[in-house]
Amino acid sequence: SQQGEEDPQALSIQEGENATMNCSYKTSINNLQWYRQNSGRGLVHLILIRSNEREKHSGRLRVTLDTSKKSSSLLITASRAADTASYFCATDATGSGYALNFGKGTSLLVTP
Amino acid sequence: GAVVSQHPSRVICKSGTSVKIECRSLDFQATTMFWYRQFPKQSLMLMATSNEGSKATYEQGVEKDKFLINHASLTLSTLTVTSAHPEDSSFYICSARNRDFYGYTFGSGTRLTVV
Repeated sequence: SQQGEEDPQALSIQEGENATMNCSYKTSINNLQWYRQNSGRGLVHLILIRSNEREKHSGRLRVTLDTSKKSSSLLITASRAADTASYFCATDATGSGYALNFGKGTSLLVTP
Repeated sequence: GAVVSQHPSRVICKSGTSVKIECRSLDFQATTMFWYRQFPKQSLMLMATSNEGSKATYEQGVEKDKFLINHASLTLSTLTVTSAHPEDSSFYICSARNRDFYGYTFGSGTRLTVV
């Protein structure tokens, strides 16, 4: 069952600005992942953070995880027009049989 | 890296016909395959989980007789939408997992349009 909730649902920024997306979930997790999806395309894995980690970086991406609040955030710094896409968090819940449960997603628009 | 090939990428079919979607893991053994459905501007909803050689486990609300899943080998899983109706029109995505390494590899998706 779907358990992640992202906010905002839609975000519009200009190139060079930072974009922050948040995700909340309901049950205990093994890890949390962020994916990107361009319109009508497949998913691209961005970053994974394990339940015992609090922060992780990858290039212009920074992910935080707060298991006490059951929430995560994805920060994209110095955004580019090419970052325009939908972003989803996905959790691998304990006891889920390893299926990923996806949040509703944030639609990011970066204008030049 | 791990690659999952999914095809067709797009298919249009008439109501009442059946459509088969294939997902192949090209360079690893997909011990578990997941099938998702995504409606426009919505998130991915898990339909079913299949382990090689076993019957698929369907999520609540997903009709197993309508969405037939076969995972007969470690490199191939198929989803057949039987007696398709316009409301089955959606984006279907498979995801494969290998027991030897942690990670999920997604197919590129299939856009199904039932007319």
